[in-house]
Amino acid sequence: AQTVTQSQPEMSVQEAETVTLSCTYDTSESDYYLFWYKQPPSRQMILVIRQEAYKQQNATENRFSVNFQKAAKSFSLKISDSQLGDAAMYFCARNQFYFGTGTSLTVIP
Amino acid sequence: DAGVTQSPTHLIKTRGQQVTLRCSPKSGHDTVSWYQQALGQGPQFIFQYYEEEERQRGNFPDRFSGHQFPNYSSELNVNALLLGDSALYLCASSLGIWGEYEQYFGPGTRLTVT
Repeated sequence: AQTVTQSQPEMSVQEAETVTLSCTYDTSESDYYLFWYKQPPSRQMILVIRQEAYKQQNATENRFSVNFQKAAKSFSLKISDSQLGDAAMYFCARNQFYFGTGTSLTVIP
Repeated sequence: DAGVTQSPTHLIKTRGQQVTLRCSPKSGHDTVSWYQQALGQGPQFIFQYYEEEERQRGNFPDRFSGHQFPNYSSELNVNALLLGDSALYLCASSLGIWGEYEQYFGPGTRLTVT
């Protein structure tokens, strides 16, 4: 099955703290791409970070980083120094077609 | 750059009717994908268009059909609407059909079927 699983429907974090969102996936492919997308309450989804499965090094984009464990098929997102603007739904996706059910992140002032 | 645009923003239809949703991709993008996002759920892939042909299709019935025009814009058509078709329909564009390309999403069309 080509599934993507996000086991945390909701998460909360204090402003300026760090939070980690979990994602696991299932695939028989050896080459694939993983994405984290953010969907704020205004609905337009935007890319947060992207990881190529053949690369060992974890991707980083400013305050956002991933922990990619290929053997475990795990792809978690770490948000450091959380800001109020980080509050949104976060979706993990494999390639262009397979999305998880999302994690709603609340940032507490 | 206007990014990905979709029309209309909201739509209310009656069960059994037909609906057409429209999408203009980001400038320079040649691939358009459509997703259905039910309330509180992740996007479900409907299909993808490239070079005016359907290239990939998700697990959706034939009532869902589409089209891509020479200018890369796209339409999603849904026939014989069911109450369960009520959802946010997202269009995304990318440069190419391969899985590694980042997708740019539109704001969506909220379809309500009564």
